[in-house]
Amino acid sequence: AQTVTQSQPEMSVQEAETVTLSCTYDTSESDYYLFWYKQPPSRQMILVIRQEAYKQQNATENRFSVNFQKAAKSFSLKISDSQLGDAAMYFCAYRIYGGNTPLVFGKGTRLSVIA
Amino acid sequence: GAGVSQTPSNKVTEKGKYVELRCDPISGHTALYWYRQSLGQGPEFLIYFQGTGAADDSGLPNDRFFAVRPEGSVSTLKIQRTERGDSAVYLCASSPGIGKLFFGSGTQLSVL
Repeated sequence: AQTVTQSQPEMSVQEAETVTLSCTYDTSESDYYLFWYKQPPSRQMILVIRQEAYKQQNATENRFSVNFQKAAKSFSLKISDSQLGDAAMYFCAYRIYGGNTPLVFGKGTRLSVIA
Repeated sequence: GAGVSQTPSNKVTEKGKYVELRCDPISGHTALYWYRQSLGQGPEFLIYFQGTGAADDSGLPNDRFFAVRPEGSVSTLKIQRTERGDSAVYLCASSPGIGKLFFGSGTQLSVL
């Protein structure tokens, strides 16, 4: 079974600084997707960034980027120029490639941004 | 609507009662998912539908939980004989196919 591990229950960062959230996963599959979702107090899960495992290039979305290490099964999220609105729970998730298989989530990291 | 809608937003019930939670997916999305998120945890998969049929219900914890999607659009998650341990946020998501899931804001279920 696939598992996703987030070893940092809480993180904090100063406004305008950079923070990295860690994620590791376990799978025997070679083709899959990895995701980072943000969950603010409104409870709605918002997709931050997505990575296809077959792509060697790390995904980037504005201030958000990932460091995808396939051999190490590591998928960290870097947030640059942190803003107060970035404060939320962040979840790493995995999904087998193909079809509509469900996402498997980690337990999350609570990010606080200090003004 | 523009997004996934879940009703009610909050539901308080007594132990032993029956509850129904509703999910309206984005129009045209064929896949629909239910997740349960306990306090301080990540979402745990319950069941997903492809069209009207349940493609995978392996996450349902026991036979008190049941979900339907009779016309391939709206889905209802039904919980019989609720227990205090069922208290959680129930999230629904839909997807047009391969790729991202779009989530609703969830239903907070509290069993007293």
